[in-house]
Amino acid sequence: KAGVTQTPRYLIKTRGQQVTLSCSPISGHRSVSWYQQTPGQGLQFLFEYFSETQRNKGNFPGRFSGRQFSNSRSEMNVSTLELGDSALYLCASSLTGTGANVLTFGAGSRLTVL
Amino acid sequence: DAKTTQPNSMESNEEEPVHLPCNHSTISGTDYIHWYRQLPSQGPEYVIHGLTSNVNNRMASLAIAEDRKSSTLILHRATLRDAAVYYCILRGMYSGGGADGLTFGKGTHLIIQP
Repeated sequence: KAGVTQTPRYLIKTRGQQVTLSCSPISGHRSVSWYQQTPGQGLQFLFEYFSETQRNKGNFPGRFSGRQFSNSRSEMNVSTLELGDSALYLCASSLTGTGANVLTFGAGSRLTVL
Repeated sequence: DAKTTQPNSMESNEEEPVHLPCNHSTISGTDYIHWYRQLPSQGPEYVIHGLTSNVNNRMASLAIAEDRKSSTLILHRATLRDAAVYYCILRGMYSGGGADGLTFGKGTHLIIQP
């Protein structure tokens, strides 16, 4: 069974640019959640999508957005990049996102903003 | 904010048992207790989860207090490969608990001495 796949694994952008990251969940999983991880702030929740709808949102500015497609694949976008957006971006998938379901994480996309 | 409280770090010796505590005094009757760990340079991975009864799997044991306000992750015989950050989170039975159910906090940094 394939795991959660995140692409690209590494990318470098400059301030002001935008970036799109992709997450392919485990087959059959309908919930995808996104996280930002930095050394100072730890693992921070960005948003969760279920059946193409954003179901939950963390405390991030509107420059961070996402979407989910009918095949449950998800993308997140960060516009007008800032130096502070440099981080490891992780996604996790679960069957339906309920408490009994386990979260399975991808390896992450490491973004460096110069 | 995370609904759980964990020590920032703990240290243990190789081949000895490790007991990682987690306090969750505001837990509701329908919250699952989940544990994940993150090894260096990897995405978090699932360890164990439970609702009311103690749970065992090949990786660890989860001991849940009778009032459910605290739990302990038990690694029966720590190895150097168990050195990681361990996260305890609460996830609601029906919807995952919203944004709170996806908020990981800083976790416990477990150091294993050879």
